Amino acid sequence: GAGVSQSPSNKVTEKGKDVELRCDPISGHTALYWYRQSLGQGLEFLIYFQGNSAPDKSGLPSDRFSAERTGGSVSTLTIQRTQQEDSAVYLCASSSSRDRAPYTFGSGTRLTVV
Amino acid sequence: GNSVTQMEGPVTLSEEAFLTINCTYTATGYPSLFWYVQYPGEGLQLLLKATKADDKGSNKGFEATYRKETTSFHLEKGSVQVSDSAVYFCALSGYNTGFQKLVFGTGTRLLVSP
Repeated sequence: GAGVSQSPSNKVTEKGKDVELRCDPISGHTALYWYRQSLGQGLEFLIYFQGNSAPDKSGLPSDRFSAERTGGSVSTLTIQRTQQEDSAVYLCASSSSRDRAPYTFGSGTRLTVV
Repeated sequence: GNSVTQMEGPVTLSEEAFLTINCTYTATGYPSLFWYVQYPGEGLQLLLKATKADDKGSNKGFEATYRKETTSFHLEKGSVQVSDSAVYFCALSGYNTGFQKLVFGTGTRLLVSP
């Protein structure tokens, strides 16, 4: 597609439920990134994919967080047993193999845990 | 580890005023440096970048010069417009993370009044 697409744009969930956030990167972009933007922590790196593998998942805050990427395209970030501190905007970004940093971000998914 | 420090906001200016937003960094070696902008309700957009010392990134009237001697990458614009009102993030990617992971500053909100 023309840009990085994320869905849903907003998600309200009850504490303890699982949620899945989806990212469609720009077609042909091999690298995909997840970041989290919250009031208390600013912008934090979560995980980075090159193709379908994740060379760097150092930013995932706990084992409740996981992510996968299939077909070198769509990625899903899953948060299990959500907690209120998971409330944030989750941003996805992608870049081509020539680039060395995420240049194109999606509009994000705003997650609210109540 | 790598880190970015940018000036606290908000920065409040009148239209056509000169803008400077300070950014300094700590990193091993020669990181790549970026400015991203986030307009209200939108995702992050890459504004400009510089990948080596003394490089000047520029876009839409904004400029920033990579200063290795002062470890700085200050953002400037000669004449701001109301439409420049947004949050500006300084960021770096470093050799120790394969230049893939972005480390962000806390962001500086710019408010431009007519």
